[in-house]
Amino acid sequence: AQRVTQPEKLLSVFKGAPVELKCNYSYSGSPELFWYVQYSRQRLQLLLRHISRESIKGFTADLNKGETSFHLKKPFAQEEDSAMYYCALNAGGTSYGKLTFGQGTILTVHP
Amino acid sequence: GAVVSQHPSWVICKSGTSVKIECRSLDFQATTMFWYRQFPKQSLMLMATSNEGSKATYEQGVEKDKFLINHASLTLSTLTVTSAHPEDSSFYICSAKQSNQPQHFGDGTRLSIL
Repeated sequence: AQRVTQPEKLLSVFKGAPVELKCNYSYSGSPELFWYVQYSRQRLQLLLRHISRESIKGFTADLNKGETSFHLKKPFAQEEDSAMYYCALNAGGTSYGKLTFGQGTILTVHP
Repeated sequence: GAVVSQHPSWVICKSGTSVKIECRSLDFQATTMFWYRQFPKQSLMLMATSNEGSKATYEQGVEKDKFLINHASLTLSTLTVTSAHPEDSSFYICSAKQSNQPQHFGDGTRLSIL
């Protein structure tokens, strides 16, 4: 069975500092990985998809199959980045199919 | 953008009653809807996948007779928690998607069973 692990429940950084939210997965097939973000009092929304290889709000994430990781990075954190971040894996066999979520990491960016 | 509406946002009811939660895609046709459950300070756990016009596919360990899912149209799926008990108290979240598009999530429903 697939599993997604986010080892840090809480992560605090100061504004302007680099930030990395860790995500490791276990899955025997070819994974489709995502980062979702939930800002305070808002619904869960898609931040990044590994296939897109794009930067959203300054965040990037690279799939490392050798290390089975999909860490989320941003070189200069902003206060508005404070939120809950979930790493998720689609093992459903169809694009954007059913998701297995990690436990989530609460990121706090201090002024 | 794509909007998913979930109703009610919060419900309190007595043990033994049944509770229905609605999930609607407001501006797109959802070929697939998903139902998740989230315990306090824990991650989202997929309960079932629902395709319009067909029976829902439940994840292992989820009682299909307990959690009835109906996806009667391309814009509406319902989750009914039958004969609810305190252990069913949780946060229930739905998501909806079109064929090869991302899932869009609702705001969730907080269910409290007394």
